[in-house]
Amino acid sequence: EAQVTQNPRYLITVTGKKLTVTCSQNMNHEYMSWYRQDPGLGLRQIYYSMNVEVTDKGDVPEGYKVSRKEKRNFPLILESPSPNQTSLYFCASSYRSHNEQFFGPGTRLTVL
Amino acid sequence: EDQVTQSPEALRLQEGESSSLNCSYTVSGLRGLFWYRQDPGKGPEFLFTLYSAGEEKEKERLKATLTKKESFLHITAPKPEDSATYLCAVQAVSSASKIIFGSGTRLSIRP
Repeated sequence: EAQVTQNPRYLITVTGKKLTVTCSQNMNHEYMSWYRQDPGLGLRQIYYSMNVEVTDKGDVPEGYKVSRKEKRNFPLILESPSPNQTSLYFCASSYRSHNEQFFGPGTRLTVL
Repeated sequence: EDQVTQSPEALRLQEGESSSLNCSYTVSGLRGLFWYRQDPGKGPEFLFTLYSAGEEKEKERLKATLTKKESFLHITAPKPEDSATYLCAVQAVSSASKIIFGSGTRLSIRP
């Protein structure tokens, strides 16, 4: 089954404790992206990747890091999480950037 | 600055009552406009991609249209299962491969 998976689905952590949210797709897509979704603000793009080893900033990259060492995986790293990073996070992939995106189920992160 | 605005924020309709959702965009060169549906607690699900003004696409009770400044999602004779948040997104030629989403329209269909 074609899908985008994210782990963990739910995470409660404390300020400053490094964490990684994993994202994996099995569709051989070139383009992958991370979004955060907050009430009233919609989906905002954090980082995106055009292909292996090619990443770029979206609209809200501060406080986040990404890497794309393999085509199927695109982890999101929060080196020192802060409460304003409490949000619902979605990973998405598509064949190319201008094609339809397939979204993961979401990761609900709470930073205390 | 590239921008996407959706209206209304929320819309309540009676089953069978047709209506339209609006997505206005300001970009310097449109590469593609996307419509997604999002159910509570789930990731967005793709509906349509439109690439040029005048283009139209249909799927069941939904029809998406595109002009040079806006897109409409027309819902004909909606059913309660059409209740969801509908998201519009654009990709601009000028902004590499960034994708910008609007804040969505929350649609509720009463039986």
